[in-house]
Amino acid sequence: DAGITQSPRHKVTETGTPVTLRCHQTENHRYMYWYRQDPGHGLRLIHYSYGVKDTDKGEVSDGYSVSRSKTEDFLLTLESATSSQTSVYFCAISSSLATDTYNEQFFGPGTRLTVL
Amino acid sequence: QQPVQSPQAVILREGEDAVINCSSSKALYSVHWYRQKHGEAPVFLMILLKGGEQKGHEKISASFNEKKQQSSLYLTASQLSYSGTYFCGTVIIQGAQKLVFGQGTRLTINP
Repeated sequence: DAGITQSPRHKVTETGTPVTLRCHQTENHRYMYWYRQDPGHGLRLIHYSYGVKDTDKGEVSDGYSVSRSKTEDFLLTLESATSSQTSVYFCAISSSLATDTYNEQFFGPGTRLTVL
Repeated sequence: QQPVQSPQAVILREGEDAVINCSSSKALYSVHWYRQKHGEAPVFLMILLKGGEQKGHEKISASFNEKKQQSSLYLTASQLSYSGTYFCGTVIIQGAQKLVFGQGTRLTINP
């Protein structure tokens, strides 16, 4: 199994508070991703990173920011949490090494976030 | 841009076959298939690349029709362990290392 962990695994917070989720990998993979999963919507990409300090937006990036200061860590921040951000958040990593090669993504165990 | 999966849900008896389809309105460069069991993380099954290259499992196979912009996942002689939600993830920008996932197909295998 790929070495990928997420913390915390569960969190309950109140509307308007900042929240940071952490993804940590031990695989030295270049690409890291944050997804949210909601019933009926599948997995939707929030942000992803293609290297240290290199990040880009996904399809549902509003209200989220990310940072990657080290290869192994990718942080997702909700600056001011809203109830619509209640979801299960998954981090994933991938080791694609060259253009036009697409390797599998390995997913972390997920974080269940509830915003009251 | 999200690919459409069909059916949304299917219930089978052990030993029966299933086909799950994934259709896109955009040209596809690769299609990934994942399975997720309840309460767990998605797990990679296979990748299909433009040009026909395929990786996969023994009893689970897939096809990729580039012209029709769709992929199908075939599960033959289903086992109880096949139960879960199946997602296709598509690459619609050449060279991009990000996926757009379908909404999922829930597969239930009964004894």
